[in-house]
Amino acid sequence: KAGVTQTPRYLIKTRGQQVTLSCSPISGHRSVSWYQQTPGQGLQFLFEYFSETQRNKGNFPGRFSGRQFSNSRSEMNVSTLELGDSALYLCASSTGQANTEAFFGQGTRLTVV
Amino acid sequence: GEDVEQSLFLSVREGDSSVINCTYTDSSSTYLYWYKQEPGAGLQLLTYIFSNMDMKQDQRLTVLLNKKDKHLSLRIADTQTGDSAIYFCAEKALRSYNTDKLIFGTGTRLQVFP
Repeated sequence: KAGVTQTPRYLIKTRGQQVTLSCSPISGHRSVSWYQQTPGQGLQFLFEYFSETQRNKGNFPGRFSGRQFSNSRSEMNVSTLELGDSALYLCASSTGQANTEAFFGQGTRLTVV
Repeated sequence: GEDVEQSLFLSVREGDSSVINCTYTDSSSTYLYWYKQEPGAGLQLLTYIFSNMDMKQDQRLTVLLNKKDKHLSLRIADTQTGDSAIYFCAEKALRSYNTDKLIFGTGTRLQVFP
């Protein structure tokens, strides 16, 4: 059974640009959550999608957005990139039921220069 | 409120036991998790415990939960150099029933020396 796949693994962007990251969850999983990991702030929850609907959102500016497709794959987008957006972006996959584990992908390392 | 704390570093000798501690503040937490992160990698789920349990054992891993003190610990028996990594505890709160949102601790860097 394939795990959670995040693409790309590494990305370098310039300030002001926008970026789109992709996450393919485990087959059969309907919930995808996104987290930002930085040395200073640790792991911070961005948002969560279940059956193509956002059902929870963290405290990030509107430049951070996401969506989920009918096959449960999810994308997150960051517009007008800032240096502080440099981070490891992790995606977690779960069935979406209350009492289940979340499995993480390898992450996308975004560097903004 | 939502706050999960861990000590930053732990150094142990190979073959000894490691104990990583975590405290949380949300008394409504239902599930508590331990994740491992190796350099350049994502998070690997190690184990989890439901809040109505006191202890859970899985091979070399033992999780202890003191709900009164809101204290969670992970014991790794016979620690090996391959156990060197950052360990995160995470909680899932009862009020987050209809969501998979996890609140993570700051992470404990475990270093195992020969």
